[in-house]
Amino acid sequence: DAKTTQPPSMDCAEGRAANLPCNHSTISGNEYVYWYRQIHSQGPQYIIHGLKNNETNEMASLIITEDRKSSTLILPHATLRDTAVYYCIVRVGTSGSRLTFGEGTQLTVNP
Amino acid sequence: DTGVSQDPRHKITKRGQNVTFRCDPISEHNRLYWYRQTLGQGPEFLTYFQNEAQLEKSRLLSDRFSAERPKGSFSTLEIQRTEQGDSAMYLCASSTRGRANTEAFFGQGTRLTVV
Repeated sequence: DAKTTQPPSMDCAEGRAANLPCNHSTISGNEYVYWYRQIHSQGPQYIIHGLKNNETNEMASLIITEDRKSSTLILPHATLRDTAVYYCIVRVGTSGSRLTFGEGTQLTVNP
Repeated sequence: DTGVSQDPRHKITKRGQNVTFRCDPISEHNRLYWYRQTLGQGPEFLTYFQNEAQLEKSRLLSDRFSAERPKGSFSTLEIQRTEQGDSAMYLCASSTRGRANTEAFFGQGTRLTVV
């Protein structure tokens, strides 16, 4: 699976959009970009995934650059409950295989 | 269905003792995964099952570790002769691969402290 690079930490004001970047310059054509988050003392939670088109669901939006070498997870209106470690993961296939987590980005949403 | 359930949530044990953790996946999920997470790090893959078959094991899974999923439903992870380095959060996840694929859903983990 391709390696990803994320900033170790970010801050965001409550109610504002949180934009979390991820670099995956060695991504292969058949690898998807996944995002999970982990709130303190809980297990990771799936957020969203995509291959090359932008994706949106009830939790977030995923913007993937045209060359697919980077992506951005957008939380449109961050709340205090969005404070968590966010993991960007690249892997082959849409489900069933192992997840390779990096160290993620600690997002802190401030009141 | 309330999701992936792990038991116990916390375990403190003395070095050298054996411990066993249990994971109950989401009903009808045919894949079950074990991960280990140490402080400040992301989860690390240990092993996974499809139904009752253990299909992959990480090099992290030393011979002191054994996992089973006897009837393709719940799973157990046993650590023999625990060492202080085994102190970590042990996470279980489940998913479905087949007609209806799902993403991995994680339990809340079992936090092991070896003293």
